[in-house]
Amino acid sequence: EIVLTQSPGTLSLSPGERATLSCRASQSVSSSFLAWYQQKPGQAPRLLMYGASRRATGIPDRFSGSGSGRDFTLTISRLEPEDFAVYYCQQCGGSPLYTFGQGTKLEI
Amino acid sequence: EVQLVESGGGLVQPGGSLRLSCAASGFTFSTYSMHWVRQAPGKGLEWVSYISSSSSTIYYADSVKGRFTIFRDNAKNSLYLHMNSLRAEDTAVYYCAKDRPSVLGFDPWGQGTLVTVSS
Repeated sequence: EIVLTQSPGTLSLSPGERATLSCRASQSVSSSFLAWYQQKPGQAPRLLMYGASRRATGIPDRFSGSGSGRDFTLTISRLEPEDFAVYYCQQCGGSPLYTFGQGTKLEI
Repeated sequence: EVQLVESGGGLVQPGGSLRLSCAASGFTFSTYSMHWVRQAPGKGLEWVSYISSSSSTIYYADSVKGRFTIFRDNAKNSLYLHMNSLRAEDTAVYYCAKDRPSVLGFDPWGQGTLVTVSS
């Protein structure tokens, strides 16, 4: 089983600051099979990044993704009030076929 | 606009059964694989099941294998999850999500339907 560990668990920042969220896999993951999601309270998750570094449709360019192998990063260059949410990374491969990290809560 | 709308959730006793539905619109449903993902109250996301566009390939998480059945009706643009032998730990919001071909990404997700397993 490929386990994804996200850090930090909670990140406290202010609007305008830069956020760096980490996702570490227990085994190497293909970049094609690494995605990031944003979830706000009471809402369904929304795809942010796919292929580790490609923004989904409608995602602002202040969001960027990077990484390869076991280490991946989601960066938000300048936080807007609407960016405060929980972020999950996800991988595909192994068993179970799809796994999510435990999430990073980005709070004001 | 691509839209997924789940229904069928509710309160069920342990050991009971429930069938969830996901109505799809705004895209050619028959050409896309689909997923079910769940989220227990206050917890993270757990992938539950996958079905290919033609239903020829199906996968389940170990936690639901043998108890849950995923299926689809492409003529009705609908995805289903039949859940048997429900346990308290199956209590969650269940989301359906559209697969993104070639690269990983579930997009979009439905709004979810709550399943509560309790006596």
